[in-house]
Amino acid sequence: DTEVTQTPKHLVMGMTNKKSLKCEQHMGHRAMYWYKQKAKKPPELMFVYSYEKLSINESVPSRFSPECPNSSLLNLHLHALQPEDSALYLCASSQERASGSYNEQFFGPGTRLTVL
Amino acid sequence: AQSVTQLDSQVPVFEEAPVELRCNYSSSVSVYLFWYVQYPNQGLQLLLKYLSGSTLVKGINGFEAEFNKSQTSFHLRKPSVHISDTAEYFCAVSDGGKSNFGNEKLTFGTGTRLTIIP
Repeated sequence: DTEVTQTPKHLVMGMTNKKSLKCEQHMGHRAMYWYKQKAKKPPELMFVYSYEKLSINESVPSRFSPECPNSSLLNLHLHALQPEDSALYLCASSQERASGSYNEQFFGPGTRLTVL
Repeated sequence: AQSVTQLDSQVPVFEEAPVELRCNYSSSVSVYLFWYVQYPNQGLQLLLKYLSGSTLVKGINGFEAEFNKSQTSFHLRKPSVHISDTAEYFCAVSDGGKSNFGNEKLTFGTGTRLTIIP
């Protein structure tokens, strides 16, 4: 299984709502990533988890709260979002990097989020 | 610091014609280079990658790219395009975890929209 799955595919939420995005992989990867992609823009890294610990937080506002309950799952909890947070949210996973090697990131199909 | 420049935001090409999508990079360390494709309403799929060795890299769907260190370029080419190649193409660079991140941090270019004209 070389697939990263994301649910839901589409999400519409109000600015006062609380919602969560889910990502799952069964490739035995120990690093998982959240990216944000605005329309007609490249993906931008938000968070990286390595062995279920947060290793990178790219100065993302606290209204985005990541969680990695186990090595196969990655969640992104959303609260009090703004309309400008509307975007495609991509999840990716990779092996934990070994010295001198490269570990490809496998991307999921994304969740398209609209904040009203 | 690393960065990627994709000079062409849109490239229209007639079906069965050749295409080249340009990518230039800058980095203070040795790099890994990638091309990803994103079909409408989908995630990213890796087309090909350069890690080391031969500068001509072949990928999926008939694409290839050439790493040119002196010109800091990694242009993507296909000799004959098909309607199904219509997509957004992103060039990306990684420092291979040589920064303090510990994992591969990908920096993407702004993308090139390839449109195939029947």
